[in-house]
Amino acid sequence: NAGVTQTPKFQVLKTGQSMTLQCAQDMNHEYMSWYRQDPGMGLRLIHYSVGAGITDQGEVPNGYNVSRSTTEDFPLRLLSAAPSQTSVYFCASSPGTGTKRTNEKLFFGSGTQLSVL
Amino acid sequence: GNSVTQMEGPVTLSEEAFLTINCTYTATGYPSLFWYVQYPGEGLQLLLKATKADDKGSNKGFEATYRKETTSFHLEKGSVQVSDSAVYFCALGGAGNNRKLIWGLGTSLAVNP
Repeated sequence: NAGVTQTPKFQVLKTGQSMTLQCAQDMNHEYMSWYRQDPGMGLRLIHYSVGAGITDQGEVPNGYNVSRSTTEDFPLRLLSAAPSQTSVYFCASSPGTGTKRTNEKLFFGSGTQLSVL
Repeated sequence: GNSVTQMEGPVTLSEEAFLTINCTYTATGYPSLFWYVQYPGEGLQLLLKATKADDKGSNKGFEATYRKETTSFHLEKGSVQVSDSAVYFCALGGAGNNRKLIWGLGTSLAVNP
């Protein structure tokens, strides 16, 4: 069982370049999300999705776009990379949504280390 | 609003020492509480959780008790191993669709042989 797969593991960009971080899960999870992890700032939610065709903004959405065309995939797009986007990015998924269900176990990918020069 | 405060690291211990990592929270209602662990070069994984007051979560020798009276969820282990070296995150859960966990900043633990 692969779980949550992120690609690439490492990426170096120049300011202004665009790229897409890929995330795929094979657990049929409805909920998927993107976090960035920065020293001294913990984990911050960028965007999330509660199902195919539905996305919403987290705490720090500026400079990032997402889409959710299938249950399995949740790519994160950087349209014009900036040095402030240098970070480690994690994709995470969780089964089920439902308004009466509380937070459940998040399954994380192994991360993408992004440097923007 | 809801928040989580976690003790700052890094924490350095010798093998077989007792570990406590403090976590306190501020929240309305009765949220679930979590400890996640991040081993070097990996993503986070759930270590344990508690969903109501006085619940004790446990896993791999680690324990944490949901204390409503002190608003705390301290992580403990009686005898740490080198393989426990990692970053530990306390998190506060909430209801709703966004699964928006509120995270502590993480505590780095290094265990020396």
